[in-house]
Amino acid sequence: RKEVEQDPGPFNVPEGATVAFNCTYSNSASQSFFWYRQDCRKEPKLLMSVYSSGNEDGRFTAQLNRASQYISLLIRDSKLSDSATYLCVVNHYLNTGGFKTIFGAGTRLFVKA
Amino acid sequence: DGGITQSPKYLFRKEGQNVTLSCEQNLNHDAMYWYRQDPGQGLRLIYYSQIVNDFQKGDIAEGYSVSREKKESFPLTVTSAQKNPTAFYLCATAALGAGGNEQFFGPGTRLTVL
Repeated sequence: RKEVEQDPGPFNVPEGATVAFNCTYSNSASQSFFWYRQDCRKEPKLLMSVYSSGNEDGRFTAQLNRASQYISLLIRDSKLSDSATYLCVVNHYLNTGGFKTIFGAGTRLFVKA
Repeated sequence: DGGITQSPKYLFRKEGQNVTLSCEQNLNHDAMYWYRQDPGQGLRLIYYSQIVNDFQKGDIAEGYSVSREKKESFPLTVTSAQKNPTAFYLCATAALGAGGNEQFFGPGTRLTVL
């Protein structure tokens, strides 16, 4: 089993649709969680951190469920410019000190006019 | 202008040659990372460093080498021992703190072996 697993893609949605991405992680000691966006042939960019209480940034809402080891990202009112690959990222502490960052393989989103 | 710079943006190499990819940051971040990304795939960790003069192997370190002589710089050398070096190489940095901070990426270098 992969340490971080995301929905297989691609997702094809019309403009204005609501789309949800899901991500599960295997290490219950994971400490911090993020969603990144990666455009074609570009570097990943931080979209938002994910907090236990859930957090919202405009049309984007992130949720964390520690009991189920599950993270979600909801995009409302999709825009053409939301077309990208969305990466789920998890950090957990190592016994030797420091932390390890695990990137999911990403889910590709296509928003159509 | 703060951030992470990688150079060159595109690099072409003949088989059997070593090449060095540059990564410089002025964010004063302690940790620096090198990842490789192949088409349609996720990021794989090559090497990382959390302090000057110290670095650790990631998941796919074979055929690569790094140095961390300065906090600002973390160059990656792709050696001739790397059998399939054509890929997109990404450098990232992070401030170390409780919980494990988010990573920030440079614009990447596309390496093509001819």
